[in-house]
Amino acid sequence: KQEVTQIPAALSVPEGENLVLNCSFTDSAIYNLQWFRQDPGKGLTSLLLIQSSQREQTSGRLNASLDKSSGRSTLYIAASQPGDSATYLCAVRPSAAGNKLTFGGGTRVLVKP
Amino acid sequence: SAVISQKPSRDICQRGTSLTIQCQVDSQVTMMFWYRQQPGQSLTLIATANQGSEATYESGFVIDKFPISRPNLTFSTLTVSNMSPEDSSIYLCSVSLGGTDTQYFGPGTRLTVL
Repeated sequence: KQEVTQIPAALSVPEGENLVLNCSFTDSAIYNLQWFRQDPGKGLTSLLLIQSSQREQTSGRLNASLDKSSGRSTLYIAASQPGDSATYLCAVRPSAAGNKLTFGGGTRVLVKP
Repeated sequence: SAVISQKPSRDICQRGTSLTIQCQVDSQVTMMFWYRQQPGQSLTLIATANQGSEATYESGFVIDKFPISRPNLTFSTLTVSNMSPEDSSIYLCSVSLGGTDTQYFGPGTRLTVL
């Protein structure tokens, strides 16, 4: 059974500092991994999707890496801003046919002005 | 990308009653997913809804408690039946667009059961 872990559960940084968020999964046989952002009481916004054959994806200040063999993904957010404060969730998809996502518990981020 | 709307956005309900949550997508999709997020927890898949067939439920979720309808390729409903305070959660619907693999989520329905 796939298990996804995100450590730390919470993180507080001063504005301008780079953020490093970790995601680990127990079964390396994944189809893809997706990073989401969730604001309090809201739905999820997709940030980045990494296919199992890829090593990283970039979008603006965000960069996500994937090391499938070691069961790890890292989300980097450069030059953090107070607007980056949110909960960040990673989720893995098992196969092309299997659409069920297994989510990590999330990392709650606070960027202080 | 997909634009997903949900109704209601939030509700406060009495124990023993039922609530039906609607999910509308701006494009046709084969599968729609319903997730639950209990307070302080991450998301758990309740069921997968295909148009024209019965929903497939995950372990721990049953049709009598969470009946789902999927009348067409852009719409689905999830009913939370005979509610108890333990059902207080955010319920989210989700779709995966063919060709992109990205999964999109609706804004969620925040349910409080008293």
